[in-house]
Amino acid sequence: QSALTQPASVSGSPGQSITISCTGTSSDVGGYNYVSWYQQHPGKAPKLMIYEVSNRPSGVPDRFSGSKSGNTASLTISGLQAEDEADYYCSSYTSSSTLVVFGGGTKLTVL
Amino acid sequence: EVQLVESGGGLVQPGGSLRLSCAASGFTFSSYEMNWVRQAPGKGLEWVSYISSSGSTIYYADSVKGRFTISRDNAKNSLYLQMNSLRAEDTAVYYCARDIGQVVYTDWGQGTLVTVSS
Repeated sequence: QSALTQPASVSGSPGQSITISCTGTSSDVGGYNYVSWYQQHPGKAPKLMIYEVSNRPSGVPDRFSGSKSGNTASLTISGLQAEDEADYYCSSYTSSSTLVVFGGGTKLTVL
Repeated sequence: EVQLVESGGGLVQPGGSLRLSCAASGFTFSSYEMNWVRQAPGKGLEWVSYISSSGSTIYYADSVKGRFTISRDNAKNSLYLQMNSLRAEDTAVYYCARDIGQVVYTDWGQGTLVTVSS
């Protein structure tokens, strides 16, 4: 069982918006603004999409946005495109001895 | 261009050892924190270990503590993971990842597969 809870799957049609949630505790997501989101296509390495809750690295489309409320962080993808179909993982700094925790991952299907 | 290239993976028997390497280029390696993250077949990402830029601060996941050792050689722009007493549950693709701080992993290698099986 992963430390952060994500839905196993979400889906949407091209052009629509979807949101992926990531629920933790006050020791990780709720206690720090150090939440990141990664995109992973099959057989590929993860790619950073969002860091520090809502910041986008250079080159990531502004269709990707992040937010946080309490112990739950969210990744929203607007204007869904076929190439967005991938697995998405959240991560957070944690005050526990493990330093960082990941979510179990969410498979995004673009219908 | 930042490049991270892992090597050293392979098939090893339970209880055996393996040393992974990660060769870094395209950035000032000695200025960055580094991590190992693994992914079991068909499963999610699991953080394994962290090392500070100087190598003075190290953290491990509970699942590998006492069995794995992370190290780095800044003169050789290389990161290492010595894995001892390997178990079947250590089977995974192991990625090295550059950390810009606050556990933000901006760059990842292509991964190296470790299979622990008899």
